[in-house]
Amino acid sequence: AQRVTQPEKLLSVFKGAPVELKCNYSYSGSPELFWYVQYSRQRLQLLLRHISRESIKGFTADLNKGETSFHLKKPFAQEEDSAMYYCALSGQRSNYQLIWGAGTKLIIKP
Amino acid sequence: GAGVSQTPSNKVTEKGKYVELRCDPISGHTALYWYRQSLGQGPEFLIYFQGTGAADDSGLPNDRFFAVRPEGSVSTLKIQRTERGDSAVYLCASSLQGPTGANSYEQYFGPGTRLTVT
Repeated sequence: AQRVTQPEKLLSVFKGAPVELKCNYSYSGSPELFWYVQYSRQRLQLLLRHISRESIKGFTADLNKGETSFHLKKPFAQEEDSAMYYCALSGQRSNYQLIWGAGTKLIIKP
Repeated sequence: GAGVSQTPSNKVTEKGKYVELRCDPISGHTALYWYRQSLGQGPEFLIYFQGTGAADDSGLPNDRFFAVRPEGSVSTLKIQRTERGDSAVYLCASSLQGPTGANSYEQYFGPGTRLTVT
């Protein structure tokens, strides 16, 4: 079965500290992984996708097929990073159906 | 430019009533998706449209749920005989086109409709 697991419902770190939001997945083929972010009172928006291998707002995520993980990392957290973060996986039959984790609420303390 | 819009933003209805939720996608986006998000959960796929047709409705939970997109733009999600378990935020997203193309299927989300069934 296809599944995305985000083990932490809540993660709280101090400003300037490193951040790692965990995401593990279960998938039988070649996955497409994404991170979405939802800031307070805003809509869901794409943060980054693994195929782009890009860094957005200082965040990076590497797909580790051996560990079936796609953890989101940032070396120095900023207060504006406080938000809900969702890891998502593209569906087996096509690239459009996203399967989502339950999300992690990230709080950056000043 | 305008993003995806959804109306109403909030809907409170009584158990057993019929509701319609509307989604207006980004102009020119041929693909449209509906998701449902229950409290404390990530979004759950309901249905995907490519143009006017429902390309995949496998996520609709039962036959009380139905969605249309008659002119390939605005979509309406219809729920008959609502139940308390239908209470959730209903999200709509659109993308430029379907699965092919490097960035074509990036999904842009609306603000959601919060449905409460009492």
